[in-house]
Amino acid sequence: DAKTTQPNSMESNEEEPVHLPCNHSTISGTDYIHWYRQLPSQGPEYVIHGLTSNVNNRMASLAIAEDRKSSTLILHRATLRDAAVYYCILRDGNFGNEKLTFGTGTRLTIIP
Amino acid sequence: NAGVMQNPRHLVRRRGQEARLRCSPMKGHSHVYWYRQLPEEGLKFMVYLQKENIIDESGMPKERFSAEFPKEGPSILRIQQVVRGDSAAYFCASSPSGTSLYEQYFGPGTRLTVT
Repeated sequence: DAKTTQPNSMESNEEEPVHLPCNHSTISGTDYIHWYRQLPSQGPEYVIHGLTSNVNNRMASLAIAEDRKSSTLILHRATLRDAAVYYCILRDGNFGNEKLTFGTGTRLTIIP
Repeated sequence: NAGVMQNPRHLVRRRGQEARLRCSPMKGHSHVYWYRQLPEEGLKFMVYLQKENIIDESGMPKERFSAEFPKEGPSILRIQQVVRGDSAAYFCASSPSGTSLYEQYFGPGTRLTVT
């Protein structure tokens, strides 16, 4: 699996936007970029995913660089509930490669 | 639609005993994945199952661990002769398809403590 690199930790003030970066310089053409997060003492939860175009959903936005070697997860208005470890994961779009390979992620702290 | 259910939520076993962890996927999901999270570490894939089949067990320890997903009933992760190093949170996830286009839905986990 192609590797991703994320900062170990980030801090943000409550009610401000948060930009979580991810580098994936060895991404292949069939790799989808997925983001999951894990709140304290809970199982991971899906946030968003994309292939080439920027994506928006009710939780977040995903901005993908034109060369696809990096992406940014954007939380538009952080709340205390967004404090979690955020994982950027590449998943091969070809059928048969199903597991999630979690890295160390970015631990996001929200400052009230 | 109920989410992924895991039980028990907490399990305490003495060294040498067996641990059985259960996972009921979301309704309509036929793909189940097990992950393990050791204390202060990241999540590691263990095994991927479809109904009655093991698709990928590349993350399973070679001994003492087994998993099944029968035609009827929950998926079971079984750990025989537990040791202290098995203490961890075990998460189950399910998806409606095996393709990478679908997200995986995680349960709340079973926290196993081996004394």
